[in-house]
Formats: sequence, structure tokens, C-alpha cells
Amino acid sequence: EVQLVESGGGLVQPGGSLRLSCAASGFTFSDHYMDWVRQAPGKGLEWVGRTRNKANSYTTEYAASVKGRFTISRDDSKNSLYLQMNSLKTEDTAVYYCARGGIWNPWAFDIWGQGTMVTVSS
Amino acid sequence: DIQMTQSPSSLSASVGDRVTITCQASQDISNYLNWYQQKPGKAPKLLIYDASNLETGVPSRFSGSGSGTDFTFTISSLQPEDIATYYCQQYDNLSISFGPGTKVDIK
Repeated sequence: EVQLVESGGGLVQPGGSLRLSCAASGFTFSDHYMDWVRQAPGKGLEWVGRTRNKANSYTTEYAASVKGRFTISRDDSKNSLYLQMNSLKTEDTAVYYCARGGIWNPWAFDIWGQGTMVTVSS
Repeated sequence: DIQMTQSPSSLSASVGDRVTITCQASQDISNYLNWYQQKPGKAPKLLIYDASNLETGVPSRFSGSGSGTDFTFTISSLQPEDIATYYCQQYDNLSISFGPGTKVDIK
């Protein structure tokens, strides 16, 4: 079964750090671009950033709201995607989803995880 | 950055009705537009990619059209299981953005 499972969410104080993980299974992880998308409580979807695949040099892109604070990485040997979040702000409170870019259209997210909740609060 | 707008923000329709949602981009995005369905408490699901292509396994009552700045998403005959929020999403090589969503429920 093709699956993405996020972990690592929780409660953190403003200014703190947290690392999210996303474990992939059931497909060739290394072939795909992988993204993080978040959703604040009761709000819409916000793209966080992406890592391209090895063929595209694992380059990354970030939304302006997180650039310089968040870092996306991946370990193809472990079929895992990561999101390192530093200098967290209350407005980073959200459910964080990892999403797979399609093999023919890397910008269409055809598989999503169930999400992990991050709460930034004192 | 490219901004996306959607209308309406919410709608109520009867089972069997034709439902249409529009999405507008702040600049020409060709056909670089996808549509997602999100049910409460669930992750989004890809329905339409590249403006008009139906994702595998998605019922044919869902369709999309448009190019440039104006796009349309249609449910030809609304079913009870279609109650959800629908998002458009544009992309270019450097960034991605979603529309604010359209909440669809049954009248």
C-alpha cells in the first residue's frame, strides 16, 4: 500500500524547534519530489516547501513565511522526509502534511499523509 | 507571488444539482492548476491536475476546465459524499499556492 506517515508533532514554546518526519512506503521514494503543506486550525492549505529528487539535485524551495527558519531534507535510503522547524512562532501552529509529487506532474500532490499537529504556545 | 481567488467561498446545493466553482489567478498560469477535495478531519485528495485531467479513480462527475487566469471546477451531479471543501492550487517551478477554498454542503 502506498502510504505516507508523519510523526514528531507536539507542543513547543515560541522560539523553540521541532523536527517532523514523514515515512514513505509502497513506492519508489527516491523518484519523487516531496512537499510539506500545512493547515492552521479552521483555515485553508498553505504550501511550506519542497525537496526535489536526486535527478534534480535534491534542490529545495520554501514559502516566504518559513524561509530561513525551516529546512526540508530527505534520506532516500530510509524512505524518509524531514522538516526541521526553528524559531517557531505562534502562527506556525497547524497540521503539517507531507505530500508526494506525482511522477508525471511533480506539482500535483497525489498522495498525502494523515498529518501531524504542531502547536506553538507558551 | 501568484495569488489565487475562489468563488463562491461556500455554497449549498441539492443532491443531483450541477455545482460550479471558479478559481482565478493573479497572472497567466497556463494550465498549471490542480483541484483538491478535503473532507473534515482528512487530508486533501487530488481530483484534477493540469486544469482538466481527471486523476485515476476519481468519479467522472468531477471535471475541470480553463487556462490562463480563469478556471472552473464542476460537479455534474452532486452526491452526498461530495460534501467537502475544494481547493485550487497553482504551481510554477519555484512556488505553489492554494486558493482559499470553497465549502460545499447539501441544501
